[in-house]
Amino acid sequence: RKEVEQDPGPFNVPEGATVAFNCTYSNSASQSFFWYRQDCRKEPKLLMSVYSSGNEDGRFTAQLNRASQYISLLIRDSKLSDSATYLCVVTPSLYGQNFVFGPGTRLSVLP
Amino acid sequence: GAVVSQHPSWVICKSGTSVKIECRSLDFQATTMFWYRQFPKQSLMLMATSNEGSKATYEQGVEKDKFLINHASLTLSTLTVTSAHPEDSSFYICSARGPYGGETQYFGPGTRLLVL
Repeated sequence: RKEVEQDPGPFNVPEGATVAFNCTYSNSASQSFFWYRQDCRKEPKLLMSVYSSGNEDGRFTAQLNRASQYISLLIRDSKLSDSATYLCVVTPSLYGQNFVFGPGTRLSVLP
Repeated sequence: GAVVSQHPSWVICKSGTSVKIECRSLDFQATTMFWYRQFPKQSLMLMATSNEGSKATYEQGVEKDKFLINHASLTLSTLTVTSAHPEDSSFYICSARGPYGGETQYFGPGTRLLVL
């Protein structure tokens, strides 16, 4: 089983739609969680950190369920500019520094 | 936010040559930098963790003699792909942890390597 798994995608949604991405991780000792977005042929950029209490940033809401080892990202009122690959990222341990990336879920927002 | 640069942004080379990629933290000091590789339609895979003033820590399956990492200063890490072969063609991305601690990583723009 991969350390981090995501919805396979791609997701093709119309502008204004609400879309949710799911991510699961296998290491229960994982400490930190992030969503990054990666545009085609570009580097990943931090979208938001994910906290146990859940957090929201404008149209984006992230949730973490440690018991189920599950992370989600909700995008409301999607824009064309949201089209990208969304990467679920996990830091595997308290003392580890490295990131483990999920395979990504591609989103295309259509006009 | 923290800015990380990479140079070159792309390189085409003949098989057997060595290619050096630089990663710089522009406005902060980075004691730790990370090198990733991304093949088409795949996610980023960590190759090694680069620590300033000490040897890099390589992930399983990554040949340390082929991918030489030097982190000689707090703002510069280099990755040298030695005797590159076509299968080394990939998107190489470095990252650094931000200037205020924490675990967020800031990524360089990446280097596309094509080995002919």
